[in-house]
Parts: sequence; structure tokens; C-alpha cells
Amino acid sequence: QQQVKQSPQSLIVQKGGISIINCAYENTAFDYFPWYQQFPGKGPALLIAIRPDVSEKKEGRFTISFNKSAKQFSLHIMDSQPGDSATYFCAASRGGATNKLIFGTGTLLAVQP
Amino acid sequence: NAGVTQTPKFQVLKTGQSMTLQCAQDMNHNSMYWYRQDPGMGLRLIYYSASEGTTDKGEVPNGYNVSRLNKREFSLRLESAAPSQTSVYFCASRYRTGMGRETQYFGPGTRLLVL
Repeated sequence: QQQVKQSPQSLIVQKGGISIINCAYENTAFDYFPWYQQFPGKGPALLIAIRPDVSEKKEGRFTISFNKSAKQFSLHIMDSQPGDSATYFCAASRGGATNKLIFGTGTLLAVQP
Repeated sequence: NAGVTQTPKFQVLKTGQSMTLQCAQDMNHNSMYWYRQDPGMGLRLIYYSASEGTTDKGEVPNGYNVSRLNKREFSLRLESAAPSQTSVYFCASRYRTGMGRETQYFGPGTRLLVL
């Protein structure tokens, strides 16, 4: 049972364009929604995260939009660059002492120069 | 400050062989995790340890055991490897601030092939 659904599976964007990756979750008890970035041969690294008390969080070119009623959240990468080419994972957890993250299946982003 | 380190980087096993994947963190984090990553399936939690001396099952624990040796080290053991355990294994540790911001720091991974 997949609790976090991520789409698209892959994405090709031109340099300078906007990359958008979407995730939907099922468990209304989730209260922490991070995005991780992974380059080939490396471990994932936290990119940006949001809690459901806000609808949007921006850090540089990266923005999370959060829709609590629809149980959806998305990552927007503005002015996409070739260096952004990586796999992106959304995740969700209930936080607390253990913070067990439930990951989406990942999106492979390729930014063409 | 090396962060999260994992050994070995690569391993090939034959079906039925056993091995232990090692993980260590030097960030004084309480919580540590083991994940496996398979194509099209994201990362799935195998086991976690909320603090030294405690461990608990995650989403896919069958075929694995863990040991939280001390606060720094969290090992994953495959007692009798199966081809279905071919995967990339990641260890992570968790940092949480008093402001509620938290991060899981991942190691570089161990690539395991079971023949």
C-alpha cells in the first residue's frame, strides 16, 4: 500500500524553465513533508521541507506548495539549471520521536541546456 | 566531521551467504535508520533505532537484523542473502532542532548484488 504517490516518473525541462513534481498522500496524521534530492551514486540530501500549518515555503529557486484539503504537495524549481538534474523524492511522516519517513517513488529530472 | 559513513561500498554475495553492513555517524544523533532503494520503488525503511539501545521494524524488515552497537554505530545484517535483497542500502541519522526543523542525513550507500 503506497501511502505517498509521486508523479511524474521522469521529467525533461529546458534550462530556465519551471520544473514541477507532484505528490499526494493518504494518511491525514502526516505532519512533516520533506523533499530530497539525489545525484547519481550519492545518498539523498534534504532539499526543503514543509509542515501543514503553511501553504507555501520558498528557499531560493525551490518552492513547496501544500494543499491540506486535497492532501497534495508539490515541488517547483524555478529557472531550472542543468545542475538541478537529479532524482527528487517527496516524503511524509508523522514526526515525533521516530520520524519514520514514507517516500514517494521518485522523479528523474533532466534539465537540458 | 565525516557525517554518515557506510562500509562496504560494493558487495557481491552468493545466495545463502551472510554479511553485515556497517554504518557510523559522528554527529551525535540519537536516531538512525536503514533503508533500501530499488528502481521505481523509492526508499523503503528496513529498521530504525530511535536511540541507543532500541531498535524497531520498519516497512520491509524480513530477512534482516540490526544492532545499535552504541550511539555512533548501527549495523544491518543479512543472515542468509537472497537475490531479492539485491539493492542499494542507505543508512541515515536524524537531527532535530528545538524549532521543529529536522533533517535525515544519508550515507553514500552500499550496493549489494546477490547472485
